[in-house]
Amino acid sequence: EDQVTQSPEALRLQEGESSSLNCSYTVSGLRGLFWYRQDPGKGPEFLFTLYSAGEEKEKERLKATLTKKESFLHITAPKPEDSATYLCAVQAEETSGSRLTFGEGTQLTVNP
Amino acid sequence: AAGVIQSPRHLIKEKRETATLKCYPIPRHDTVYWYQQGPGQDPQFLISFYEKMQSDKGSIPDRFSAQQFSDYHSELNMSSLELGDSALYFCASSLGRQGSSYEQYFGPGTRLTVT
Repeated sequence: EDQVTQSPEALRLQEGESSSLNCSYTVSGLRGLFWYRQDPGKGPEFLFTLYSAGEEKEKERLKATLTKKESFLHITAPKPEDSATYLCAVQAEETSGSRLTFGEGTQLTVNP
Repeated sequence: AAGVIQSPRHLIKEKRETATLKCYPIPRHDTVYWYQQGPGQDPQFLISFYEKMQSDKGSIPDRFSAQQFSDYHSELNMSSLELGDSALYFCASSLGRQGSSYEQYFGPGTRLTVT
């Protein structure tokens, strides 16, 4: 069974204080790992897809990296508008479709 | 850019009633997914369709059914509603062959409240 574990559950940062979110996964064969941002009561917003260990992707203050067992979402000099829940999800090779299995998310709060 | 459209955005039903949720995917997207997100929980996969055929089935109750139509929009039909069905229901769409790792783009969700 595919498993995704995110840590920490919640993270409070001061504006400009860089940090990293962790996503550990167990899947028989990884087709892709996805990062989403979700604001309260809204749909997840796509951020990144990573396919293979060693891959990195960047978007503004966010950088996602992937190893064979985990992914990190690095946030550099965050701003209050970066406050949200960040979800990690995996897509496994053995599924007939393309379902995503999500972690429980990291709730990030950035204080001004 | 066009996004996934879901309707209605909010729905209040009583126990044992039925509900129909609609999803209009991003133009040209051929795959639709349905997810359920309970309060404080992560999204759970329910079911997906590729080219109007069911492509994958997750933890969808037997009381629920879904289909994808010729214009690629999808409907999730929920019957004999229970209090535990209260949740956010998201539709997502992607472009690509079944089993591909194309990104899934989520709609704004339908908040279902069962009283």
